Amino acid sequence: QSVLTQPPSVSGAPGQRVTISCTGSSSNIGAGYDVQWYQQLPGAAPKLLIYGNSNRPSGVPDRVSGSKSGTSASLAITGLQAEDEADYYCQSYDYSLNGQWVFGGGTKLTVL
Amino acid sequence: QVQLVQSGAEVTKPGASVKVSCKASGYTFTSFDINWVRQATGQGLDWMGWMNPKSGNTGFAQKFQGRVTMTSNTSISTAYMELSSLTSEDTAVYYCAVGRRAGWSSWWFDPWGQGTLVTVSS
Repeated sequence: QSVLTQPPSVSGAPGQRVTISCTGSSSNIGAGYDVQWYQQLPGAAPKLLIYGNSNRPSGVPDRVSGSKSGTSASLAITGLQAEDEADYYCQSYDYSLNGQWVFGGGTKLTVL
Repeated sequence: QVQLVQSGAEVTKPGASVKVSCKASGYTFTSFDINWVRQATGQGLDWMGWMNPKSGNTGFAQKFQGRVTMTSNTSISTAYMELSSLTSEDTAVYYCAVGRRAGWSSWWFDPWGQGTLVTVSS
């Protein structure tokens, strides 16, 4: 199983708000390492959505936001659109096992 | 713009090795690490390791230690990942990605290559 825990799936109707959680531990998120989020559309490579817990790269709409607290982080998407249907992954750094980058198991977002 | 273009799909046999290339453009190749991440069909992302093109230094996830090699040719801005002793469980899409950082606590991957499907089958 993944070092970071995400719900396997979430869903919402167009226009609604959804959140995706990412739970870590004291050797990764809880140690102060930042959380990143990636969006992966079907058949495509992952794309950076959020870096440094809450920063959006240029081109990512402001209806997408990220936050971190303690050993967890969250991704929020408001004003859901059909094009948001994708897999979402959180990522951080873990100092155990000689240090490595780690991902969550991924969350499938379905727009109803 | 910064872009990574990977080599084409590979089909190989159990016990063999595979080498995937990743050609960078749009930036100074030696300025950032290249990371490799793989994804089995229907599964999540699995970080494999990193390589610094300027120094040649590398770091690998424990599960791949001893089986993976990461190198680069700076004259053609290309990184390589070679995985040996392949089994069917190594069948996956392999991605390269530029590693970015901010301070001591923040590392991310952007952009990613388009992916290379490696199929291990007898």
